[in-house]
Amino acid sequence: SSELTQDPAVSVALGQTVRITCQGDSLRSYSASWYQQRPGQAPVLVIHGRKNRPSGIPDRFSGSSSGNTAFLTITGAQAEDEADYYCNSRDSSGNLAEFGGGTKLTVL
Amino acid sequence: QLHLQESGPGAVMPSETLSLTCTVSGGPISSSSSYWGWIRQPPGKGLEWIGNVYYSGRTYYNPSLRGRVTISVDTTKNQFSLKVTSVTAADTAVYYCARDYMDDLLYYYMDVWGKGTTVTVPS
Repeated sequence: SSELTQDPAVSVALGQTVRITCQGDSLRSYSASWYQQRPGQAPVLVIHGRKNRPSGIPDRFSGSSSGNTAFLTITGAQAEDEADYYCNSRDSSGNLAEFGGGTKLTVL
Repeated sequence: QLHLQESGPGAVMPSETLSLTCTVSGGPISSSSSYWGWIRQPPGKGLEWIGNVYYSGRTYYNPSLRGRVTISVDTTKNQFSLKVTSVTAADTAVYYCARDYMDDLLYYYMDVWGKGTTVTVPS
């Protein structure tokens, strides 16, 4: 079982703001990265280093953290943002990666 | 632009060994900032990190799979490989390879992914 905990499902109205959370003790020491996975596709990095967006990722995606929790916020959600979102970080040793269980985002 | 491509059999019989290769193009696998990793996703389930390898050959594995998994690197071919022994139906999954990058601030993230390859182990 994952040491990073995510809500299984979240919904948001089109154009509204949604925050997806990831909890785990390792997040006090290591940053979270976030991945978007649409059905039938490979995951895509959307946030790294807690709050940095790779080029090509819309600026409506943002990341933050507090204590043992990391947040992915989508400001003004679009229909194409409907996907599964996974957080990832290192374990307490810093050597092993781990994923959260994933959050299915539905845009209403 | 870095590109990763998985290859290998789409089906493996129970108790046999699953073998996959990831070919890296557009950049050297012998990058000091990069580990090279394998991730899998069983049907309808989440992502599971399997392990990774540095160009020197140093490896780290998911404890839940340790003992059955070997990841190796071939710098001359710019490839790295995955072997999973004694497979069962529970090993049926889409297998992805990815670059596990460490930036200047020592943040780790998987920034480049292959498209994934489906491996089926019949029950």
